Amino acid sequence: GAVVSQHPSRVICKSGTSVKIECRSLDFQATTMFWYRQFPKKSLMLMATSNEGSKATYEQGVEKDKFLINHASLTLSTLTVTSAHPEDSSFYICSANRREPNYEQYFGPGTRLTVT
Amino acid sequence: QKEVEQNSGPLSVPEGAIASLNCTYSDRGSQSFFWYRQYSGKSPELIMSIYSNGDKEDGRFTAQLNKASQYVSLLIRDSQPSDSATYLCAVFRDSNYQLIWGAGTKLIIKP
Repeated sequence: GAVVSQHPSRVICKSGTSVKIECRSLDFQATTMFWYRQFPKKSLMLMATSNEGSKATYEQGVEKDKFLINHASLTLSTLTVTSAHPEDSSFYICSANRREPNYEQYFGPGTRLTVT
Repeated sequence: QKEVEQNSGPLSVPEGAIASLNCTYSDRGSQSFFWYRQYSGKSPELIMSIYSNGDKEDGRFTAQLNKASQYVSLLIRDSQPSDSATYLCAVFRDSNYQLIWGAGTKLIIKP
């Protein structure tokens, strides 16, 4: 399968600070990447679709000014959680669509964010 | 009605038996279907994709698709304790390249 990396894997930050998470497709180009969050024992929740060279599309209820997404190249998308609060503590996971052969979606290993 | 439905389980299967996981979907025009496995605390891992009616086998895994019945299933033969995980069914939406997810079925393989 294709490889998607995510960095950092784990981060602890203080309330009010910002945290940037990187997602890279290592062996394929991804025009579309996705950002999810998942709370313990809950389902994946899609936050936004990241398109290379254009603005991200956010799901209803996700604040675009709080969760800044930049898809700077065909292999890199970043999510910045701005002014983080304890309720933002969660497991953030990115994924990337591999166009060939059939838009299979591959996930990064996830970033566990803890805001104190 | 949810777009993709799965029984949340848990589904308990003895080691060595066949585990059968089921998924139904509502959009009759869907063409691409995926099964992911997610271990607790980890991200989902793609294990099978299927696009045509019938069976597709990969090792101990077999995906089955019936578009007329809008039904996808995953069979795991010779189940092992390491197969214990949540299995997520996902349907590709052509319009925005998103996956529509089922809630997942928790599978427990008992030694």
